[in-house]
Amino acid sequence: EADIYQTPRYLVIGTGKKITLECSQTMGHDKMYWYQQDPGMELHLIHYSYGVNSTEKGDLSSESTVSRIRTEHFPLTLESARPSHTSQYLCASSHPGGEDGYTFGSGTRLTVV
Amino acid sequence: KQEVTQIPAALSVPEGENLVLNCSFTDSAIYNLQWFRQDHGKGLTSLLLIQSSQREQTSGRLNASLDKSSGRSTLYIAASQPGDSATYLCAALSGNTGKLIFGQGTTLQVKP
Repeated sequence: EADIYQTPRYLVIGTGKKITLECSQTMGHDKMYWYQQDPGMELHLIHYSYGVNSTEKGDLSSESTVSRIRTEHFPLTLESARPSHTSQYLCASSHPGGEDGYTFGSGTRLTVV
Repeated sequence: KQEVTQIPAALSVPEGENLVLNCSFTDSAIYNLQWFRQDHGKGLTSLLLIQSSQREQTSGRLNASLDKSSGRSTLYIAASQPGDSATYLCAALSGNTGKLIFGQGTTLQVKP
């Protein structure tokens, strides 16, 4: 079944550690997105990609980086985690025009202690 | 600039009630409008997608309508159940920027 997968589901990590949040989709979508959402707050777009080797910054400035080496895979990396990075990170994908809507993963809840 | 507003921010109803969630958008140039459900601390589940040329979509007890000229969409939930308790988000795909613009959400509690 076509879907979008995020791992890990939960992550608690110490300050200064490097972390990578994984996102993979079998939807056949070209566009992929990362959103950040604090508890009870709205979603903010932090990164998106039109396809392989394409990455763009979103509306909210983020210290994270992303890469798109394969169509199916869009990992997000924090080189040095800080408590201010504690949040939920949601990955999504869509066709280029978004005509069939966006599909979201289950999210990764990151806690930096 | 497209802005999406959802009213009310929170709603509590007894089980069995029919209810309407409202979503308004400022720019009628949209490709489509999508309704999502988000359980606490979880990801977003797509409920209904309405293309700009459509007036409504139905799935089970859910019915979503779209009126582009007035900049409004509604999500109707029939015979609400405690399992419907969640935050409901509407999002408009901007025809100008190609970006998905989210409302702030309506948090629904259905009491048994």
